[in-house]
Amino acid sequence: DSGVTQTPKHLITATGQRVTLRCSPRSGDLSVYWYQQSLDQGLQFLIQYYNGEERAKGNILERFSAQQFPDLHSELNLSSLELGDSALYFCASSPLPGGNYGYTFGSGTRLTVV
Amino acid sequence: AQTVTQSQPEMSVQEAETVTLSCTYDTSESDYYLFWYKQPPSRQMILVIRQEAYKQQNATENRFSVNFQKAAKSFSLKISDSQLGDAAMYFCAYRSGRKHDMRFGAGTRLTVKP
Repeated sequence: DSGVTQTPKHLITATGQRVTLRCSPRSGDLSVYWYQQSLDQGLQFLIQYYNGEERAKGNILERFSAQQFPDLHSELNLSSLELGDSALYFCASSPLPGGNYGYTFGSGTRLTVV
Repeated sequence: AQTVTQSQPEMSVQEAETVTLSCTYDTSESDYYLFWYKQPPSRQMILVIRQEAYKQQNATENRFSVNFQKAAKSFSLKISDSQLGDAAMYFCAYRSGRKHDMRFGAGTRLTVKP
């Protein structure tokens, strides 16, 4: 157990729908990062939050949004889902913005859009 | 923009032997951090080793060590005494000292033969 909790572990939904992925960072970590990993590909950075504020944004689609709440958990909202959004979505956390000591990853949420 | 290249999509090694995974990166910055992550079939991302660019000494973690060549922008991972449990995807990652996102290479799939 890495200490980063992601729910749900698996999600199957239809095209056009909206889903919310949830992440609780490791205790004491203030930064949360979201990554997308498509089948057999590397990880693509989506967005980062630090202590409730957005700090960095990657190639995140306009249909996707995220936020970090006062208790530091984060949610990634995916809307108007398309088949190509099927992927493994990782949340990671670190104590500081930028993660000088590396990120701790959750076990991911596998999203399947049918 | 910084890019990370892993030129070996697949590698294999005999159990108890040594294998080296290659990684090169492109950056104009002097302050940055490099990482190797392991992703076993469980899909969990596990930090294997990290290297600060300002340190000349190569990082070592038990059977894992790196060969960091800053001028050549090369960061290879050596796994000694390979074990069956080392079989996984290995990702090289770069993080700027200024920016907040970690960028990953496409990965190398390592097979360990008994």
